[in-house]
Amino acid sequence: GAGVSQSPSNKVTEKGKDVELRCDPISGHTALYWYRQSLGQGLEFLIYFQGNSAPDKSGLPSDRFSAERTGGSVSTLTIQRTQQEDSAVYLCASRSLLSYEQYFGPGTRLTVT
Amino acid sequence: GENVEQHPSTLSVQEGDSAVIKCTYSDSASNYFPWYKQELGKRPQLIIDIRSNVGEKKDQRIAVTLNKTAKHFSLHITETQPEDSAVYFCAARGGYQKVTFGTGTKLQVIP
Repeated sequence: GAGVSQSPSNKVTEKGKDVELRCDPISGHTALYWYRQSLGQGLEFLIYFQGNSAPDKSGLPSDRFSAERTGGSVSTLTIQRTQQEDSAVYLCASRSLLSYEQYFGPGTRLTVT
Repeated sequence: GENVEQHPSTLSVQEGDSAVIKCTYSDSASNYFPWYKQELGKRPQLIIDIRSNVGEKKDQRIAVTLNKTAKHFSLHITETQPEDSAVYFCAARGGYQKVTFGTGTKLQVIP
């Protein structure tokens, strides 16, 4: 079946602009995670959605970052007033309720100029 | 919150030798410890995982050990091959299902 997909694959934006990154999880997966990976760095947790529960937003670095998950499926990560330090690969992962394994999407490479 | 430390940050081995990567975690409630392999420009992929009720798990050339008392776990790759070259991440999942990743180990297998 189809894996996790993300769009766009690459996004170049000017400093100060807002961007929206999209994640389509594997169908039926109730858990969805967003991570940020800066060049040569590890995976930084941003936010976690599980079903209809309140999301765990503890990893969001500032109030410029927000995320939504509509209908328990597609998720959008929004970064307002982008800064150069926001440049990174943003990875989405999903997981089924009964499994521990996360499946990652290909990521969105964000470049803020 | 959970803190995962990973060592070494880089590791070079000769083809055929073994490679060991070590991680420690801080939250005693963590109960699941996956290892991911990330090739250049690609997404992380799960290669092996272990749950807190198990001390060791093997899958062909790959093994993971877990010491709950000491809060550390390790990845062992035997008979390394050039295609094992990648960045490896350990992770720990706590009681609230948040997953915390280590900072990664860049493994280079020299032919």
